[in-house]
Amino acid sequence: EAGVAQSPRYKIIEKRQSVAFWCNPISGHATLYWYQQILGQGPKLLIQFQNNGVVDDSQLPKDRFSAERLKGVDSTLKIQPAKLEDSAVYLCASSLNHGGGNGYTFGSGTRLTVV
Amino acid sequence: QKEVEQNSGPLSVPEGAIASLNCTYSDRVSQSFFWYRQYSGKSPELIMSIYSNGDKEDGRFTAQLNKASQYVSLLIRDSQPSDSATYLCAVSSNYQLIWGAGTKLIIKP
Repeated sequence: EAGVAQSPRYKIIEKRQSVAFWCNPISGHATLYWYQQILGQGPKLLIQFQNNGVVDDSQLPKDRFSAERLKGVDSTLKIQPAKLEDSAVYLCASSLNHGGGNGYTFGSGTRLTVV
Repeated sequence: QKEVEQNSGPLSVPEGAIASLNCTYSDRVSQSFFWYRQYSGKSPELIMSIYSNGDKEDGRFTAQLNKASQYVSLLIRDSQPSDSATYLCAVSSNYQLIWGAGTKLIIKP
């Protein structure tokens, strides 16, 4: 089966600019996750979707980050305006079941550098 | 606040030896436990899952779970240089996974 697709792979922007990331999960996976991973740390959940509804966005900095999954399939994550501390890898993952009881499959990630 | 704790390492192990990675968690009702491997610059990859107390073996990997002690471990037998990576422990809690910060493993030839 095809894996989780993400784009772009790399992005360099200046602070205060905006950026968007795209994710297409594995076909049939109802649950989609966006994670932020800073170098040397574990992944931090930003937002979790079940189909096109938000399950958890408690750690999403809503003043600058937004995400949508309008048709319950692919998803976009946006940052506007970006700050230096947003430099990280943004990982998209999907799972068959709500709660990830069978684990998650990750995409290749987008490495964001804010200068 | 649900937590998953791992020693950050690095853990250095000679090639051919057994590498032992440990993880403790705080949520007593957690039911699913996972080990992910993450190579530098790559995404996490699921290598083991375990759901009940005891051992689960898959090739050179063995996951061990002790729910009473809230402890899960990963053993890698006959360690190879290609096993050098960061190993992330993840524990299910309230319909999501809680992640440890990972242990960096270095296998010395």
